[in-house]
Amino acid sequence: RKEVEQDPGPFNVPEGATVAFNCTYSNSASQSFFWYRQDCRKEPKLLMSVYSSGNEDGRFTAQLNRASQYISLLIRDSKLSDSATYLCVVNIGRGSTLGRLYFGRGTQLTVWP
Amino acid sequence: EPEVTQTPSHQVTQMGQEVILRCVPISNHLYFYWYRQILGQKVEFLVSFYNNEISEKSEIFDDQFSVERPDGSNFTLKIRSTKLEDSAMYFCASRPGTGRYTEAFFGQGTRLTVV
Repeated sequence: RKEVEQDPGPFNVPEGATVAFNCTYSNSASQSFFWYRQDCRKEPKLLMSVYSSGNEDGRFTAQLNRASQYISLLIRDSKLSDSATYLCVVNIGRGSTLGRLYFGRGTQLTVWP
Repeated sequence: EPEVTQTPSHQVTQMGQEVILRCVPISNHLYFYWYRQILGQKVEFLVSFYNNEISEKSEIFDDQFSVERPDGSNFTLKIRSTKLEDSAMYFCASRPGTGRYTEAFFGQGTRLTVV
């Protein structure tokens, strides 16, 4: 069973474009949600957490739909430096909230000049 | 800025050999993790560690794997008898607390190649 599913892409967009990534998760007990960014052969780095009410950080907007078990990330005004793989990550906390992180396979984004 | 450090950055080993991957978590963090990523695949949880014991381990973390925090700073992953399929990037991570949205900080990874 795939806990977290993402469209692998690749997405190839010009600078300035708006791009949206989607993700679904299977475990309704999931407690917290994140988007991480991973550059080629590097470690995952937290881009933003995803809260129930939705949240925005500059050009990035994240949305969560618990009923549909769906998470999204919108990137506006894409920059060359946004080129990376975007990982949808879910934390299924187990009481102590030490819960392991479940990663999607990632969506690859390339922004071209 | 504090960071999780891992050594070595790349390790090549022969099948059947033991390897130890080392991590120094951020100093005031209490929760430690190992993840791995086989080339082209997703990041997978191996084990979590708190208060000097394993909290949770995945089905990947079989008897060939062990973790240890031998002193106040290092956190190690040992693979007793490596197999070709153990070739992957291994990431150590740490968190300061238990909040649902407490960030996990990842080290830069150790690329393990088993030949």
